Amino acid sequence: DGGITQSPKYLFRKEGQNVTLSCEQNLNHDAMYWYRQDPGQGLRLIYYSQIVNDFQKGDIAEGYSVSREKKESFPLTVTSAQTNPTAFYLCASSVPLGRTNTGELFFGEGSRLTVL
Amino acid sequence: QQPVQSPQAVILREGEDAVINCSSSKALYSVHWYRQKHGEAPVFLMILLKGGEQKGHEKISASFNEKKQQSSLYLTASQLSYSGTYFCGTRTLARQLTFGSGTQLTVLP
Repeated sequence: DGGITQSPKYLFRKEGQNVTLSCEQNLNHDAMYWYRQDPGQGLRLIYYSQIVNDFQKGDIAEGYSVSREKKESFPLTVTSAQTNPTAFYLCASSVPLGRTNTGELFFGEGSRLTVL
Repeated sequence: QQPVQSPQAVILREGEDAVINCSSSKALYSVHWYRQKHGEAPVFLMILLKGGEQKGHEKISASFNEKKQQSSLYLTASQLSYSGTYFCGTRTLARQLTFGSGTQLTVLP
């Protein structure tokens, strides 16, 4: 079955540590995204990538880094510079809007990061 | 800039109707609607495009007023399975999808 796999599902981190969240997709989508979800604030875009070896900052990129070395993979690193990293992180992918495509985002099941 | 959703929360009985609104201060190219159940990933419901085209997977209707930069999602004859948080996502030509803060819908038996 095609889909997006995020791991780990739950992660605990001590302050000052970097942590990397994995996102893998087998949908053959070019575009991939990372969103952060906090209670009452909806989904906020951290980074996105339209194509391999290229990525762009979203609205809240500070304290995060990404790479896109393969089409299938878009890992997110939460660095120690992120002042409030405890959140639910969602990875998504999409195809461009077209005659037969809706341009919808397909989401993974998320990774919940807690900083102790 | 985030689109503004209203209401923030709504409670209704099975069979009742609900309307969720989404408005933006910017000229929009498209509006997406997603539903997220507790602890799960958001699921796509519908996209509305400038020019009136709509594409969706479920029997849920929506409108897009391009002049007012507003969209509304119409949930008719609500079922228990409609419960969840509904997000609108708006896209301008220059930017990626930006989501509203969500509307929590609870359908009671």
